[in-house]
Amino acid sequence: QLQLQESGPRLVKPSETLSLTCTVSGGSISSGGYYWGWIRQPPGKGLEWIGSIYSSGNTYYRPSLQSRVTISVDTSKNKFSLKMTYVTAADTAVYYCVRGGVVIATTYFDFWGQGTLVTVSS
Amino acid sequence: QSVLTQPPSVSGAPGQRVTISCTGSSSSIGAGYDVQWYQQLPGAAPKLLIYGNSNRPSGIPDRFSGSKSGTSASLAITGLQVEDEADYYCQSYDSRLSGSEVFGGGTKLTVL
Repeated sequence: QLQLQESGPRLVKPSETLSLTCTVSGGSISSGGYYWGWIRQPPGKGLEWIGSIYSSGNTYYRPSLQSRVTISVDTSKNKFSLKMTYVTAADTAVYYCVRGGVVIATTYFDFWGQGTLVTVSS
Repeated sequence: QSVLTQPPSVSGAPGQRVTISCTGSSSSIGAGYDVQWYQQLPGAAPKLLIYGNSNRPSGIPDRFSGSKSGTSASLAITGLQVEDEADYYCQSYDSRLSGSEVFGGGTKLTVL
């Protein structure tokens, strides 16, 4: 059974960089046909897609976050990562790493990490 | 404000049938993009319920079904159970502004 686990600092200062890593177990991140991505959920609010990286290395980002976000993959360690620069309090959220499959021009997210709450505060 | 619109809440008694709507636009659901549905139990990560408008992943009971028509989609839950009380989210793609995966605002299902 595929499992995803987020790790990284839980507290980040405003204007600094948020860095999270997702470790994938029970399957290879380099097996073709899947996206690996990040979704966040501010406390008490809904879900927001941040971005995804395809097994080929192509990346896709939420337009409003594109200038601040980078997603990368380390196939040798079976991990992928999120970096978000210049964070503000609005970036406080539970961050989920996910696996995505493709249907008609969109992605379904079939495996989720347990989520990690990242708080932006000085 | 979400690109996909869901009712904030729905409710039903055990054994009943409820539906949750998800309204998009000509640049999202109406453009032919598939719709997915997720269930989020309190304190847990979301779980995929329906993908590709009407397909259930392995292990999802057939009490859950999805449909799509025009610019909208619906999730139906029959034989409502107490453990179905959760938040439900629809998800699709919107082609405006360089494109993005988008979610509805979520619907809280209360089992009376």
